[in-house]
Amino acid sequence: ETGVTQTPRHLVMGMTNKKSLKCEQHLGHNAMYWYKQSAKKPLELMFVYSLEERVENNSVPSRFSPECPNSSHLFLHLHTLQPEDSALYLCASSQVWAEGEKLFFGSGTQLSVL
Amino acid sequence: GQNIDQPTEMTATEGAIVQINCTYQTSGFNGLFWYQQHAGEAPTFLSYNVLDGLEEKGRFSSFLSRSKGYSYLLLKELQMKDSASYLCAVKDSNYQLIWGAGTKLIIKP
Repeated sequence: ETGVTQTPRHLVMGMTNKKSLKCEQHLGHNAMYWYKQSAKKPLELMFVYSLEERVENNSVPSRFSPECPNSSHLFLHLHTLQPEDSALYLCASSQVWAEGEKLFFGSGTQLSVL
Repeated sequence: GQNIDQPTEMTATEGAIVQINCTYQTSGFNGLFWYQQHAGEAPTFLSYNVLDGLEEKGRFSSFLSRSKGYSYLLLKELQMKDSASYLCAVKDSNYQLIWGAGTKLIIKP
């Protein structure tokens, strides 16, 4: 079992669809993150959950809605997306306050919005 | 504003050495990270520097100069599998990670 698992790997959706991305971490970490990765751009932090509480929401449009039911699972609910939302969505986890606090990433969901 | 600069793309030859530079301007500093990301895969942690100097890990080394706002990742004895993007990230005074856009490294035989 890999450390951080994301599903689906690929997703194509129309602008009127509703879909959800799922992330599960098997590392016993206490923080989880959603990042957006667009070509040739820095990673954009979207949401952070620490100890199951949302601690950061970086001005993300309301068409993205996160959910963290427990410390091992994280969802990103999508609705009425725009074509510019097409990107790679990465989930990550970490152990807060650990030395260096490195991130462990999932392989991402490649999202295409038509 | 906060900024991380690294070259967009570099090319090197198998068996050679390559140095990937990263310069940063951030509000405060609480550590610098390098991650490797193969195409279509998850970024994976390579190194962490919080004090000045060189950290060596096998074929990979990372250097930090806080006074110059500068780091580099040194890859020795390059292998074809080292073809990947290398991401530099800095933790600022609020412990927020600021990311560079990544350097795509192409290794040629």
